[in-house]
Parts: sequence; C-alpha cells; structure tokens
Amino acid sequence: AQSVTQLGSHVSVSEGALVLLRCNYSSSVPPYLFWYVQYPNQGLQLLLKYTTGATLVKGINGFEAEFKKSETSFHLTKPSAHMSDAAEYFCAVSGIGGNKLVFGAGTILRVKS
Amino acid sequence: DTGVSQDPRHKITKRGQNVTFRCDPISEHNRLYWYRQTLGQGPEFLTYFQNEAQLEKSRLLSDRFSAERPKGSFSTLEIQRTEQGDSAMYLCASSLAPANSPLHFGNGTRLTVT
Repeated sequence: AQSVTQLGSHVSVSEGALVLLRCNYSSSVPPYLFWYVQYPNQGLQLLLKYTTGATLVKGINGFEAEFKKSETSFHLTKPSAHMSDAAEYFCAVSGIGGNKLVFGAGTILRVKS
Repeated sequence: DTGVSQDPRHKITKRGQNVTFRCDPISEHNRLYWYRQTLGQGPEFLTYFQNEAQLEKSRLLSDRFSAERPKGSFSTLEIQRTEQGDSAMYLCASSLAPANSPLHFGNGTRLTVT
C-alpha cells in the first residue's frame, strides 16, 4: 500500500523567494514519485517525475525535486517564485507493478507581490 | 497530441437523477483512469481500464457507479440515483501501460447535485 503526506495545506511566499513544498511518502515497493500542478477549474499538469536514476529531478517552469530514500521524502523546490506559480500542487506515488497514482491532499501556493 | 477531453465540463442535476460523463483519452494511450476530487482534497482513484478491460475498482465506487470503455477508446462513467455526496470534480486521465508513465489529465467534469 502507498500513501502521501503533504505538510502544509497552504504556503505563502513573496515573489522572488524560495518555494519549498514538502512531500513524504510511504511505499512497500520502490516508489515512482510525481508532482502535479492544478490551476483553478483545470485538470492536473505534470511538473516532474522520479522513477529511477538521478535523485535530483528537474521539471518544467524551473521546479525541481529531490528523492531522499532515507527520509522517504520528495520535496519540491523553486529558487525564485513567480506570480504565475500560484496554484495547487499535488505529490503522488505509485510503484513498480503499480496500477494507479495515489495523491496527497495538495498544497495551495500563494505568491505575494 | 490533442490531450484528454471530458464532456460535459459542468453538470447540475437533482438528487435521484442519473448522469453520464464521457472521456476521450489521448489516442495512443491504452490505460484510462477515473478519479474523483472534492474540495480541499487530492484526486481519489475510482477505477482504471487497460484497453477495454476494467482491471481495478476502488471501494469508493459504489454499486451506483459504473464505468465502461467498450472499444478501448473513449470511456463513460455513469452515476445512478445521484446523492448530494456525489458532488465533486470527476477527472479522467490516460497513460501508456508502464507504472512509471505519467498520467495525462483532462479538465474534469464538475458535478453538482441539488
């Protein structure tokens, strides 16, 4: 069984500041990890994914995430927030042989000017 | 790649009525998923198909819910005798078969049961 915990349902940062969204997962098999972004009244868009190999993964729009097995974490970061980053972000996990993604509850990112 | 298409975008219905939603996946994708999303929550898995076979259903999918993918292309999700608790966003996604393939989501159908 797999599960995801996203710490902080709301995160507020100033424009230009570091963005850090936290994700911890639980998985009985080696995990595949994903971050998605959702804008109001839209579906989810893939930001980045980790499957195997390099543990630091770069995605779209300047986001990146690092898989840390010892900490069971996959935190999402961006060095400098932009107003257009305001959205809801979801971390998700599946696993080898898995058939579906399991999502966290989401973190709403607010960017202040 | 025209993306995943869902119809309708919005549906308002009265309690007790039946509703049906349609999803057209990305054409070369053989997996199709239905998720439900309520306010303040992440998407919850309902069911998925590989080609035309429905391979897994969540316990969330009560007997009032049925999904089909008759020719391995588009899919329908029907809710019979709707209840107010069915009000949610219903998301469809498609992917290639391997578990490490990302899901591509449609924009969803927002259902409101009055």
